[in-house]
Amino acid sequence: ELKVEQNPLFLSMQEGKNYTIYCNYSTTSDRLYWYRQDPGKSLESLFVLLSNGAVKQEGRLMASLDTKARLSTLHITAAVHDLSATYFCAVDQGSFGNEKLTFGTGTRLTIIP
Amino acid sequence: GAVVSQHPSWVICKSGTSVKIECRSLDFQATTMFWYRQFPKQSLMLMATSNEGSKATYEQGVEKDKFLINHASLTLSTLTVTSAHPEDSSFYICSASRGDLVGNSPLHFGNGTRLTVT
Repeated sequence: ELKVEQNPLFLSMQEGKNYTIYCNYSTTSDRLYWYRQDPGKSLESLFVLLSNGAVKQEGRLMASLDTKARLSTLHITAAVHDLSATYFCAVDQGSFGNEKLTFGTGTRLTIIP
Repeated sequence: GAVVSQHPSWVICKSGTSVKIECRSLDFQATTMFWYRQFPKQSLMLMATSNEGSKATYEQGVEKDKFLINHASLTLSTLTVTSAHPEDSSFYICSASRGDLVGNSPLHFGNGTRLTVT
């Protein structure tokens, strides 16, 4: 059974600081996604990572994937308040059109002014 | 971009009644849709995979007779929570697969339905 764990579960950081969220998973996969969820809302897609060494960046967020280590990271640069949300990674053991996602435990990020 | 509409956004029902939640893909045909459940401050758990024209595939531990899924067309899947109980209160989210990668995810998520059973 695939297990997807995120670290940390809770993160409180000051504006302007950098930090990294880690996503470890227990079985082989080279398809991983990152999502953002605001309170009471559904999921917003952030990144899709489809191969070992993949790196994607959008604004202050950068995601990477190391399939050999079964690890993905979401790096936050110079955090701002509007990045406060819960972030989920999800490992896909399926294929396009037949996805099978297992979500991570989530990381609740709070940015303090 | 692709949009998935989920309705209703929230519903309150009495224990023992049934509730139907709809999930529509508005601008693409989705052969596969997924239903997730999310309890407060927890992650999303896949309940079932809904395939157009065939029976849904339920995850282990999900009662198929309690959570009825119908995927009658390529744009509509419904989840019916039958004989709801307070422990069924949760946030239910659907997603639809368009079969390829568009943007940052092959899946497009509905806005979720907050179910409260009293």
